[in-house]
Amino acid sequence: AQSVTQLGSHVSVSEGALVLLRCNYSSSVPPYLFWYVQYPNQGLQLLLKYTSAATLVKGINGFEAEFKKSETSFHLTKPSAHMSDAAEYFCAVILTHTSGTYKYIFGTGTRLKVLA
Amino acid sequence: GAVVSQHPSRVICKSGTSVKIECRSLDFQATTMFWYRQFPKQSLMLMATSNEGSKATYEQGVEKDKFLINHASLTLSTLTVTSAHPEDSSFYICSASNRVTNTEAFFGQGTRLTVV
Repeated sequence: AQSVTQLGSHVSVSEGALVLLRCNYSSSVPPYLFWYVQYPNQGLQLLLKYTSAATLVKGINGFEAEFKKSETSFHLTKPSAHMSDAAEYFCAVILTHTSGTYKYIFGTGTRLKVLA
Repeated sequence: GAVVSQHPSRVICKSGTSVKIECRSLDFQATTMFWYRQFPKQSLMLMATSNEGSKATYEQGVEKDKFLINHASLTLSTLTVTSAHPEDSSFYICSASNRVTNTEAFFGQGTRLTVV
C-alpha cells in the first residue's frame, strides 16, 4: 500500500539558508506525489506534484522537489528561506483502489520555522 | 488552480446542536470530495470520501450517523456534525477533485468548529 513518511516534525533554518524537508514514500506502483503547505487556520495549498514526468519538479514560491526512485524519496528544497516560508508542510501520495476510487494519504507534517 | 470555497470559516455551537459545513467547487465539477479532520499540530485525518450521487465512503472509526455527508451536486458537498459535543471541536477541511484533476486535490479554507 502507498504511504509517505516525513522525517522531522520540526525544522528550523535561518533566513537565506537552504530549506530541506524530507519525505520518503512506499509504493508498489509508480506513485503520484505531492507537497502541500498550510498556513495557520487555513486549508492546504499545492506547492508541487510529481506525476511520473520529469523527476525534478519545480513548484511555486521557489520550491522544488526531486523524485528519486532508488532512494524512494521526494524531498522538498528551496535554496534560500524567506520569513514567509514559515508554515506546516505536508507530503502526500495518492492511494488508488482496483475499483477506481482513490484517496490522498498525508504524511505527519513538518513545521518549518525561519529564524531572522 | 481551481477554487474550492468552504463555509463557514469559524462556527461556535452549543453542545447537542447540529452544525452544517458547506464545500463548494466554484469553477469545476467535483465528482469526488474528501472531508478531513485535523487536530492541533497534527496531520489531516481522512473522514470520508463522497462521490456525486452516491453514498459517502467512511473511514474506519468514523461514525456515519454522527458525521452526515451529502454530495447532491457536482459543485456542493456538505458535512453535518449532528448532536455536537465538545470533543467534536476541531478543524475540518474539504477537498475536491474530478477525473481530470484527479492528480491534484483542491482544498477549502477549512472550518474551525468549537462546541461549547
